[in-house]
Amino acid sequence: LAKTTQPISMDSYEGQEVNITCSHNNIATNDYITWYQQFPSQGPRFIIQGYKTKVTNEVASLFIPADRKSSTLSLPRVSLSDTAVYYCLVGYDDKIIFGKGTRLHILP
Amino acid sequence: NAGVTQTPKFRVLKTGQSMTLLCAQDMNHEYMYWYRQDPGMGLRLIHYSVGEGTTAKGEVPDGYNVSRLKKQNFLLGLESAAPSQTSVYFCASSYPTGGSDEQFFGPGTRLTVL
Repeated sequence: LAKTTQPISMDSYEGQEVNITCSHNNIATNDYITWYQQFPSQGPRFIIQGYKTKVTNEVASLFIPADRKSSTLSLPRVSLSDTAVYYCLVGYDDKIIFGKGTRLHILP
Repeated sequence: NAGVTQTPKFRVLKTGQSMTLLCAQDMNHEYMYWYRQDPGMGLRLIHYSVGEGTTAKGEVPDGYNVSRLKKQNFLLGLESAAPSQTSVYFCASSYPTGGSDEQFFGPGTRLTVL
């Protein structure tokens, strides 16, 4: 199973774009990259998933370089409500592992 | 649809007591998972199931047992609770898509073992 490395915590201000990078050097050919968001006292919630290049949805964008050894979650114009823990997962089918995540703190 | 529900929401046990946590999903998902989350930590997989009647061990299975007698339910049992099992327990379910499946999580059960 591919291991992921992401920053423990980040601070940003309202209205800024936030980029969280995840390193996954031993990603396998079949593995997808998935990001989840978790608010206090709640279960994680799926944000976005990709395999290569760029994926965008109404919440975020996911950038994956050609070698797929890293990925970047981009949150445009964050608000206070985006304060949460963000998990980067790499895996395929049922074989995924949640790491410790990145604790994102948005300041007014 | 209720999605994924967990019963109970809170529970306090004494060391050595037993209990069962119930997870139910109404999305007809094949896969179901039990995780635990300790303060400041990510989620660690305890057991999971890829279909009715099947179960498999995750990262931290010791001290827990599971059963998946019905597709919509996944039970997590603690036969003899220990203080180290104080944690928040999350259940999740997913539908195999041939890629990396989106997991849908329940609200969690906060368990304290004294």
